[in-house]
Amino acid sequence: DVKVTQSSRYLVKRTGEKVFLECVQDMDHENMFWYRQDPGLGLRLIYFSYDVKMKEKGDIPEGYSVSREKKERFSLILESASTNQTSMYLCASSPTGEQYFGPGTRLTVT
Amino acid sequence: GQQLNQSPQSMFIQEGEDVSMNCTSSSIFNTWLWYKQDPGEGPVLLIALYKAGELTSNGRLTAQFGITRKDSFLNISASIPSDVGIYFCAGLTFFFNKFYFGSGTKLNVKP
Repeated sequence: DVKVTQSSRYLVKRTGEKVFLECVQDMDHENMFWYRQDPGLGLRLIYFSYDVKMKEKGDIPEGYSVSREKKERFSLILESASTNQTSMYLCASSPTGEQYFGPGTRLTVT
Repeated sequence: GQQLNQSPQSMFIQEGEDVSMNCTSSSIFNTWLWYKQDPGEGPVLLIALYKAGELTSNGRLTAQFGITRKDSFLNISASIPSDVGIYFCAGLTFFFNKFYFGSGTKLNVKP
C-alpha cells in the first residue's frame, strides 16, 4: 500500500510565524504535490515537484515556498503565516496517473 | 484552476439504495480518478480509469471512463452507513502533472 504521511494533523500558529509542513512518501514516487482545501473552493494546487530539487508553481503559490532535498520528502513553507492561510493542507504523491493523498494538516493561524 | 462539473452536490439516501454521481468537462482527460474523503481526513483513492469506455469495479463501487473522454460516473450499489462522506472526481490531462478536481458529492446514508 502507498503511504503518504504528514508531520502534523493539527497546527496552531501565530500571524508572522514561519511554518513548516512536512510530507513523506514511501513509494519512490517522482511527483509530489501540495494542495490547500477550503470550503466552497475545493482543492487548489500550491506547488508541485517532479524530481529532487525541482519545483513548479501551482495555481496559488503566493505566500508559500517548497523544498525537496530528498525524493521521499516534500516540505511546504509558509514564510510569514497570515490568517488567510488557515486551511486544510494536503500533500499527494504520484508515480504516473493516480495521486495518493496524505491525511492532511489542519492549520489555524491566529 | 479549472474545476470539473460534478453532480449532484449532495444526496440523501436510504441504506440499501444505489447511488450514482458523475463528472463532466469540456476538456479531454487521459485518466479519471474517484476519491472518497471523510471529515478531517485526506482523500482516499477508490478507482482509477485509464481508457475511454473502461468500466472498473471495486467491491460495491463501479466507475466508467466516458467514451468521449470528457466524463466519468461512479455508482455505489446497496449503500451502507459507512459510505457516508464526500466523493471527488479528478481528471488528468495529457500533460500528466496537471490534475483537475470536481467540487465533490456529499453522500448521506440514513440507516
